Amino acid sequence: EAQVTQNPRYLITVTGKKLTVTCSQNMNHEYMSWYRQDPGLGLRQIYYSMNVEVTDKGDVPEGYKVSRKEKRNFPLILESPSPNQTSLYFCASSLWGPGRTVTQYFGPGTRLTVL
Amino acid sequence: AQKITQTQPGMFVQEKEAVTLDCTYDTSDPSYGLFWYKQPSSGEMIFLIYQGSYDQQNATEGRYSLNFQKARKSANLVISASQLGDSAMYFCAMREEKSSASKIIFGSGTRLSIRP
Repeated sequence: EAQVTQNPRYLITVTGKKLTVTCSQNMNHEYMSWYRQDPGLGLRQIYYSMNVEVTDKGDVPEGYKVSRKEKRNFPLILESPSPNQTSLYFCASSLWGPGRTVTQYFGPGTRLTVL
Repeated sequence: AQKITQTQPGMFVQEKEAVTLDCTYDTSDPSYGLFWYKQPSSGEMIFLIYQGSYDQQNATEGRYSLNFQKARKSANLVISASQLGDSAMYFCAMREEKSSASKIIFGSGTRLSIRP
């Protein structure tokens, strides 16, 4: 089954404790992206990757890191989480390139609370 | 800078009526894509429809159609014959389609409620 998986689905942590949220897709998609969703603000893109070893900032990259060492995985790293990073996080993937279908497939979301 | 505006925070519609959700955008790029997503109360994001900036015809997917007016920079979603299951948040989004960059921005969403 074609899917995007995220782990963990729920996480409560404390300020300053490094954490990683994993994202994996099994569709051989070039494009992967992380978003955060906050009430009234819609989804905001944190980072995206157009292929292996190619990453770029979205609109709200501060406080986050990503890496794309393999095509299927795109982990989101919070080196020193703060309470303002409490949010619902989505990973998504799609094909990328001229003339290709660009439908984004979303993971189920990770609800992060930073105390 | 790119921008997406959804001016309707919430809408109530009678079942079986058609509904139009507004979306306006701003970009200086000639190549871009416009999307609509549905987010039901369960939280998952569901792709509905896509329109490329160079597409001549409005996109349609079943009961969903995208009313693309390029000169006015609007990309409204039309749902025909609404159903109770259409009650959800709806997000409009725009994607850069450059060879070297592909940021995506979302609007703040419209909460659609269908009355029986």
